[in-house]
Amino acid sequence: DAGVIQSPRHEVTEMGQEVTLRCKPISGHDYLFWYRQTMMRGLELLIYFNNNVPIDDSGMPEDRFSAKMPNASFSTLKIQPSEPRDSAVYFCASTAVSSYNEQFFGPGTRLTVL
Amino acid sequence: QKEVEQNSGPLSVPEGAIASLNCTYSDRVSQSFFWYRQYSGKSPELIMSIYSNGDKEDGRFTAQLNKASQYVSLLIRDSQPSDSATYLCAVNSLYSGGGADGLTFGKGTHLIIQP
Repeated sequence: DAGVIQSPRHEVTEMGQEVTLRCKPISGHDYLFWYRQTMMRGLELLIYFNNNVPIDDSGMPEDRFSAKMPNASFSTLKIQPSEPRDSAVYFCASTAVSSYNEQFFGPGTRLTVL
Repeated sequence: QKEVEQNSGPLSVPEGAIASLNCTYSDRVSQSFFWYRQYSGKSPELIMSIYSNGDKEDGRFTAQLNKASQYVSLLIRDSQPSDSATYLCAVNSLYSGGGADGLTFGKGTHLIIQP
């Protein structure tokens, strides 16, 4: 069974450019989470969805960040415009309501903003 | 502000010994607790979950929870060099079976198993 899929795995861009990260959750999972990991702040929740509906976006750092989940098998996290301080590893995770909040992570996207 | 505290390490343990990792949390309503293992450059991998006070064993791993002391620990028996990784503690305020919510993570403990 395929795990969480994320693309791209690595992204290098210049300040001011738009960045779009993509995630496909595990089939049958109805919750999807976006986390960001940096050395300074560790792993932090950005936003999560339940049945494609955003539930909590309080972790989104500012208006430059937006996330969508148009269907049960696809989500995007967009940064526009990107800044060097956005450089981090972005993880997507998913779980099912029956899984007692055990969340399974994708491989992550390593973003570098120059 | 929910906080999860872990000693960053590194914690060095000889091969075959027991590795003990600790975690404290600030939010008294926390109900679900998780341990993730993260190898360098990889994503977090769930290794244990615990929801009730006491011990939960799975193979060489034992998770221990003490809600009164707001303390969670992970024991790794018969440590192997392949156990060398960063171990992340995560907590959540939901009761088990109460749906899902974002996890609050500690910054992790770097464990080194010396051959």
